[in-house]
Amino acid sequence: DAGVTQSPTHLIKTRGQQVTLRCSPISGHKSVSWYQQVLGQGPQFIFQYYEKEERGRGNFPDRFSARQFPNYSSELNVNALLLGDSALYLCASSLLGDTQYFGPGTRLTVL
Amino acid sequence: AQTVTQSQPEMSVQEAETVTLSCTYDTSENNYYLFWYKQPPSRQMILVIRQEAYKQQNATENRFSVNFQKAAKSFSLKISDSQLGDTAMYFCAFMKRSFGNEKLTFGTGTRLTIIP
Repeated sequence: DAGVTQSPTHLIKTRGQQVTLRCSPISGHKSVSWYQQVLGQGPQFIFQYYEKEERGRGNFPDRFSARQFPNYSSELNVNALLLGDSALYLCASSLLGDTQYFGPGTRLTVL
Repeated sequence: AQTVTQSQPEMSVQEAETVTLSCTYDTSENNYYLFWYKQPPSRQMILVIRQEAYKQQNATENRFSVNFQKAAKSFSLKISDSQLGDTAMYFCAFMKRSFGNEKLTFGTGTRLTIIP
């Protein structure tokens, strides 16, 4: 079975631009979570979605938004990019209430 | 709010030796999961082992085992017969057991280097 997939692998943007990151969960998983990992730190929780509904939100500004589609894939959007948004963005999928499995991540660089 | 602390920023060990990584956590929850994830240089976060808080028996997965001390809120990872492929960042993580809002709270990580 295919694991969690994310696209793109790498992305370079400039300050003020907007970015969309994509995630496809493991087949059968209906829960998708997003994390931000700044270099040298552990991942920080951004959002959880289940059955297209937001189930949890971390301490991130409103510039961060997400959605989940009927096929359970998900997008993370970040508006008005700041230099501090440069990070590895990780997507994880799971059965509800169960272990989260991570994708390879999208490395975002903001110049 | 939950916190996870990993007090060993870096460790190194000779190949084939045993190494133990430490993790402590703080929570008022009674029903939760604890995890160890491994992040090699490729940056993909890989599940190593999972422990359910209501289970007294320590989890094991091949060369990996944990020492779970619920009262002390301690969750250490033991890697036996260490291999070069074990070189990675290791993160301890906590997740409240619920159906919705299941965020993982991670520690700051331990960088483990296996020396040939």
